[in-house]
Amino acid sequence: ETGVTQTPRHLVMGMTNKKSLKCEQHLGHNAMYWYKQSAKKPLELMFVYNFKEQTENNSVPSRFSPECPNSSHLFLHLHTLQPEDSALYLCASSQDFLQGSDTQYFGPGTRLTVL
Amino acid sequence: RKEVEQDPGPFNVPEGATVAFNCTYSNSASQSFFWYRQDCRKEPKLLMSVYSSGNEDGRFTAQLNRASQYISLLIRDSKLSDSATYLCVVTGRYNQGGKLIFGQGTELSVKP
Repeated sequence: ETGVTQTPRHLVMGMTNKKSLKCEQHLGHNAMYWYKQSAKKPLELMFVYNFKEQTENNSVPSRFSPECPNSSHLFLHLHTLQPEDSALYLCASSQDFLQGSDTQYFGPGTRLTVL
Repeated sequence: RKEVEQDPGPFNVPEGATVAFNCTYSNSASQSFFWYRQDCRKEPKLLMSVYSSGNEDGRFTAQLNRASQYISLLIRDSKLSDSATYLCVVTGRYNQGGKLIFGQGTELSVKP
């Protein structure tokens, strides 16, 4: 497939839980991204890591905490979420964040439901 | 004003029809332009990049008008397998090339 994997694929959590989403890319890319896709809304960029450094935080609430230990792995740590955070969370990767012409490859997403 | 605005859907067309999608963007500093395709409950996938000179890939033709900040996608001879949501995507300014800004998508349903 696309070379970007995400786990878990589905997650149901309570507002007081702590959970983590994992993304791994096997494409040798240097940039990794977290996006949020809510029903009837455009995809929204949340975070960008380029060469393991966070370069973008799109005004995301602190209850979402990203981590990028190396260029191949990206995590999104979740705590005290709200029901409105229920959405599809998509990870993507590309060769280099600064190169706009680079194709971004998306993972299959984690469908998150917050009760 | 939305950063990227697309035709509201859905478009319901018969097989073999020609269908056109329109998109406008607000940031004149945007550097790169794309059409992505997203199947139901799947991730977005790049359909094609869009160049100022216009470009074609089989049955798909994309056009860009920088002066009007307008992008289009034309699909000829529609197939059932073309049914999906088509996402118009632009990038940020020069040093934010990877910052993709998505439109809300236009849903296409091709019927037999």
